[in-house]
Amino acid sequence: AQTVTQSQPEMSVQEAETVTLSCTYDTSESDYYLFWYKQPPSRQMILVIRQEAYKQQNATENRFSVNFQKAAKSFSLKISDSQLGDAAMYFCAYRRTTSNTGNQFYFGTGTSLTVIP
Amino acid sequence: KAGVTQTPRYLIKTRGQQVTLSCSPISGHRSVSWYQQTPGQGLQFLFEYFSETQRNKGNFPGRFSGRQFSNSRSEMNVSTLELGDSALYLCASSFQNLGRETQYFGPGTRLLVL
Repeated sequence: AQTVTQSQPEMSVQEAETVTLSCTYDTSESDYYLFWYKQPPSRQMILVIRQEAYKQQNATENRFSVNFQKAAKSFSLKISDSQLGDAAMYFCAYRRTTSNTGNQFYFGTGTSLTVIP
Repeated sequence: KAGVTQTPRYLIKTRGQQVTLSCSPISGHRSVSWYQQTPGQGLQFLFEYFSETQRNKGNFPGRFSGRQFSNSRSEMNVSTLELGDSALYLCASSFQNLGRETQYFGPGTRLLVL
């Protein structure tokens, strides 16, 4: 079974600084997808960034980027120039590729990010 | 496009009752998945529906059931509620049920069982 591990229950960062959230996963498959979702206090899950395992290039979305190490099964999220609005719970998620038996997310336990003004 | 909507947003029930939650996916999306989020267990997959068929099911007891209608709207039902069913129930939709697709989440229904 696939498992996703986020070893940092809580992190804090000074406003305008950079922070990296860690995520590791366990899978025997070679092709899959990885996601980072953000859940602010409103509880709305918002997609931050996604990465296709077959792509070597790390995904980037504005201030958010990932460091995808396929061999190490590591998928960390870097937030640059942190803003107060970045404060939220961040979830790392794994999803299998096409399957006619369905697809589901496997989520990590989350990292609560605090941004200090 | 309107996002994923879930109704009701908040619900209070007592043990032994049953409850039905509703999810309307983004227009054009045919895949709907349900997740249970609790502080102790985190986010756990309940089931996924695609074109009115359940395609995948998580490890939950038979008290948890769901269905999808021809307009892709989905409902989930929990019968004989237990205290441990108190949770945030999230619904997510995507165009198809392919792994490469991003799922878009609704705001959730917070269920409290007394």
